[in-house]
Amino acid sequence: DSGVTQTPKHLITATGQRVTLRCSPRSGDLSVYWYQQSLDQGLQFLIQYYNGEERAKGNILERFSAQQFPDLHSELNLSSLELGDSALYFCASSVGSGAGAARVTDTQYFGPGTRLTVL
Amino acid sequence: AQKITQTQPGMFVQEKEAVTLDCTYDTSDPSYGLFWYKQPSSGEMIFLIYQGSYDQQNATEGRYSLNFQKARKSANLVISASQLGDSAMYFCAMREAHGSSNTGKLIFGQGTTLQVKP
Repeated sequence: DSGVTQTPKHLITATGQRVTLRCSPRSGDLSVYWYQQSLDQGLQFLIQYYNGEERAKGNILERFSAQQFPDLHSELNLSSLELGDSALYFCASSVGSGAGAARVTDTQYFGPGTRLTVL
Repeated sequence: AQKITQTQPGMFVQEKEAVTLDCTYDTSDPSYGLFWYKQPSSGEMIFLIYQGSYDQQNATEGRYSLNFQKARKSANLVISASQLGDSAMYFCAMREAHGSSNTGKLIFGQGTTLQVKP
């Protein structure tokens, strides 16, 4: 058990809908990262938050958004869902901000993932 | 550009034997970290081992060790005394200290599926 929790574990919805994925980081971790894992794209970084502030953006679609709350949990919002959004969505957390040389040793611990199926 | 290559889509190993999973990487940053993760069929991503680019010694964690060859830009994972529970997909990942995108993101390889035979 990594200490990172994600809910729900599974989500089945229809095209055009909106869903919210939730993540609670490990105790003491200030950074939260979101990744998408799909068969064709592999594991792709979406976005990072550090202590409530957006730190970095990756291949995140405009239909997707995220935020990190004062208690450090994070939510990933996916809207206008398409079939191609079906994937496993991971949240990871780490102690550091991911800035500078220190990021090299800042291990990211992953949650169990949310499997999203868009029908 | 930073890139991770895992050339073995699938591997088989006999229980109790050792196995090496290959990983090569490409980066121009002299400071970087290399990570291995295990993903069982249940889906979660489990951190296994870390190697820093300036580390003098190869990393070891229990039955896992990293064969780090910096000049060849390879960071192969060695699993000794394989167990049935080692059957999973294994991902190699890298994080640069001063990447051009200036993010802390991990770049992952495509993964290697390991099957341990009884």
